[in-house]
Amino acid sequence: DAGITQSPRYKITETGRQVTLMCHQTWSHSYMFWYRQDLGHGLRLIYYSAAADITDKGEVPDGYVVSRSKTENFPLTLESATRSQTSVYFCASRHGEAFFGQGTRLTVV
Amino acid sequence: DQQVKQNSPSLSVQEGRISILNCDYTNSMFDYFLWYKKYPAEGPTFLISISSIKDKNEDGRFTVFLNKSAKHLSLHIVPSQPGDSAVYFCAAPETLIQGAQKLVFGQGTRLTINP
Repeated sequence: DAGITQSPRYKITETGRQVTLMCHQTWSHSYMFWYRQDLGHGLRLIYYSAAADITDKGEVPDGYVVSRSKTENFPLTLESATRSQTSVYFCASRHGEAFFGQGTRLTVV
Repeated sequence: DQQVKQNSPSLSVQEGRISILNCDYTNSMFDYFLWYKKYPAEGPTFLISISSIKDKNEDGRFTVFLNKSAKHLSLHIVPSQPGDSAVYFCAAPETLIQGAQKLVFGQGTRLTINP
């Protein structure tokens, strides 16, 4: 099925662990984004990518790393998870409007 | 600094009445605006957009109004239905110096339609 998929949907991890959230799109859209949704803050941009091998920081990039070796994949890595990174994470691709994945609910304990 | 602002965290409207969701922006370079709707445990979905060359765009029960001089836009839902209960986000693409674009979102407004 065409679309954008995130995995896992739910993840619990411990403080200090490395965690990777996966994002895959089937359309070959150039732009891809990672957002986090927190109460009172709406959707805040973590990182975005304009094309394969081109990434840039958003509003809240600290503690996160991204890569985009292929157009269809845009993984987000938390190098050493902290409790403040407990959130719901959304990946999106854009062509005109943005299309979002279903989200990953990450809890850091 | 928040470039897109939704100052009402929540709104409650009776079924059948009009729902009006507001959004303000600070960046005068914004020339395109989008509204997204989000249900719990789902990703946001695109609802309606408007270009700055227009002051109104209508799609069924949804109409977006743009007031460029006030840097304000609003989403009207008429008539409101229980299925419209969701969080609504206003967004705008920001064009960066190098030509890349990123979508900037407001904080969202939780709309509840009461039967």
